[in-house]
Amino acid sequence: NAGVTQTPKFQVLKTGQSMTLQCAQDMNHNSMYWYRQDPGMGLRLIYYSASEGTTDKGEVPNGYNVSRLNKREFSLRLESAAPSQTSVYFCASSESVLNTEAFFGQGTRLTVV
Amino acid sequence: DQQVKQNSPSLSVQEGRISILNCDYTNSMFDYFLWYKKYPAEGPTFLISISSIKDKNEDGRFTVFLNKSAKHLSLHIVPSQPGDSAVYFCAASAQGGSEKLVFGKGTKLTVNP
Repeated sequence: NAGVTQTPKFQVLKTGQSMTLQCAQDMNHNSMYWYRQDPGMGLRLIYYSASEGTTDKGEVPNGYNVSRLNKREFSLRLESAAPSQTSVYFCASSESVLNTEAFFGQGTRLTVV
Repeated sequence: DQQVKQNSPSLSVQEGRISILNCDYTNSMFDYFLWYKKYPAEGPTFLISISSIKDKNEDGRFTVFLNKSAKHLSLHIVPSQPGDSAVYFCAASAQGGSEKLVFGKGTKLTVNP
């Protein structure tokens, strides 16, 4: 019963460094999402993938890229990290983007110094 | 331009009493609403949902009420328990896949023993 698994759980980066956050789901879901949560801001959608082979921008995509590697995996890449990207990142998946419950991973706490 | 608003950042109630968490939305195209619960250092977990064809949905101690004319929904927890202490997010989506889940900023509920 792994559900949605994110790695790493914690990461500290220096400004300008790059890194990839990994996400995998074992529920055979079609859609996957990356959110960030900042204090007082709730959850904001960065990118999503409605189905394997497709990706689309969400509300706050600048500074990020994504790859839907296969149906199970959806990665988020920061090419040149900035302090404004300090946040908690959540990956989620759902059967589809249409009116369905999303299941979330446990989050990655990223600090950019 | 916040489409889903949770105007109370925090709420404190006594154990055994009713907790009422409120959510307002502005987009009349939203037709499916969800509540998520989030404990510290964990990802959000789905709690309860309601479709716009209903005005009430109940699941154990949790009931969600939808008032479409007022564009308002509320989550009632009765009786409240200390384990209910968490951040509660309201989320909404619209049919057709053109809009994904839109989250409110969350309300932190504290249930005091």
